[in-house]
Order: sequence, then structure tokens, then C-alpha cells
Amino acid sequence: EVQLVESGGGLVQPGGSLRLSCAASGITFVGYWMTWVRQAPGKGLEWVADIKQDGSEKHYVDSVKGRFTISRDNAKNSVYLQMNSLRGEDTAVYYCALGGSGSGSYLSGYWGQGTLVTVSS
Amino acid sequence: DIQMTQSPSTLSASVGDRVTITCRASQSISYWLTWFQQKPGQAPKLLIYEASRLQSGVPSRFSGSRSGTEFTLTISSLQPDDFATYYCQQYNFYPWTFGQGTKVEVK
Repeated sequence: EVQLVESGGGLVQPGGSLRLSCAASGITFVGYWMTWVRQAPGKGLEWVADIKQDGSEKHYVDSVKGRFTISRDNAKNSVYLQMNSLRGEDTAVYYCALGGSGSGSYLSGYWGQGTLVTVSS
Repeated sequence: DIQMTQSPSTLSASVGDRVTITCRASQSISYWLTWFQQKPGQAPKLLIYEASRLQSGVPSRFSGSRSGTEFTLTISSLQPDDFATYYCQQYNFYPWTFGQGTKVEVK
């Protein structure tokens, strides 16, 4: 059974940093793109970033470029989202999701339960 | 960025109704579109990928279609478990973008 478990969310002050983790099990992790999607309270879904199987390719939504960094450790079956210079508008539930297994990616049916990030003083 | 315009924003319907949700892309995305269902407090659930392919385990009352840049999600006979919010999402171009969502509520 595929499982994705996020951790690392919490309350942080504006300008602060947080590192989210997502641990995967039940899959050959190195074979898949991984994606982060967020959802602000009461709002819709927003794609944040994704990373290729070997980490050689990464993409970001404009609003987080230069502030967020996606990375992965295939030996630990984990993907990370380092979030710096956090703003109030980054407050959201952050989901990790399994991507595609080929040269291009997509959002699969496997998502974590989400971790809440609250940016507030 | 590709804009995904979903309509309606809210839809009131009854069990047994045929429901149609539309998503229009601001430019061609071929068939690289997915539909998700989300219930409060839960992660999104994948229903349809590549515009019309039914995800494994999803009931056959759900279907997707494409006409140019207009995409449609149809629920042939609405069931109690289907009251939720639905999102379309394009993955032809980065940044991937979602529609704003359609809430299907009880009439």
C-alpha cells in the first residue's frame, strides 16, 4: 500500500523558515516525480513545486521562487520543502503527492494527509 | 500562466441528478487535464486523468470529455457520497494550475 506522510508543519513568524518532510512507503520511490501542493484555509488548490526522480529537474510556482527549495533523498524515500522568508500568504495545508514515473510528471492518486503551516506573529 | 476557468462555482443538485462541471483553459493544453474531488478535511482524490481516462476504483458514473480547450466532468446520477468540491488541473505547462473549484451542494 502506498503511503505518503508529511511532517514539519507548525506556527512560524513572518520572515521565518520551516522545513517540511514527506516520507513515502509502498513504492519504489526513486522511480517517481514528487510534488507539493498547498491549500490556504477555505481556498482552492495551488501547485507549489515538483522534482524529478534524480533531482535533476525542479519546477516552482512564481510566488515561491527564490524562497522555497524542493529536494529529495532517495535513500530515505523522502521529499522535502525548505521554506524561507515565509509570508502570511504562505499559510496553508501543504500536501505532498506522488507524480509520474516517466520523463514527464502528473499528479497521481496518491497524496499525503497534509501538514498545516501557519505564518503569523 | 495557463488560466483554468471553472463553472459554476456552486451547483445545487439532488440525488439522481445529472451534473456537469465545465473547465476552460486559456490556451491549448491538449488532453493534459485531471479532475479531483475533495471533501472537507481530506486530501484531493483523483477521478479523471488525461481528460477522459477514469482512475482505477472510481465509479463509472463519473466521466470526462474534451472539446478543444473546454473540458467537462459529468456525474451521470449524483449519489450522496458525491457532494463535495471538484477541481480541474492542467499539467501541460508549468506552472501547473487548478481551476477555482466547484462546490456541489444539496438542493
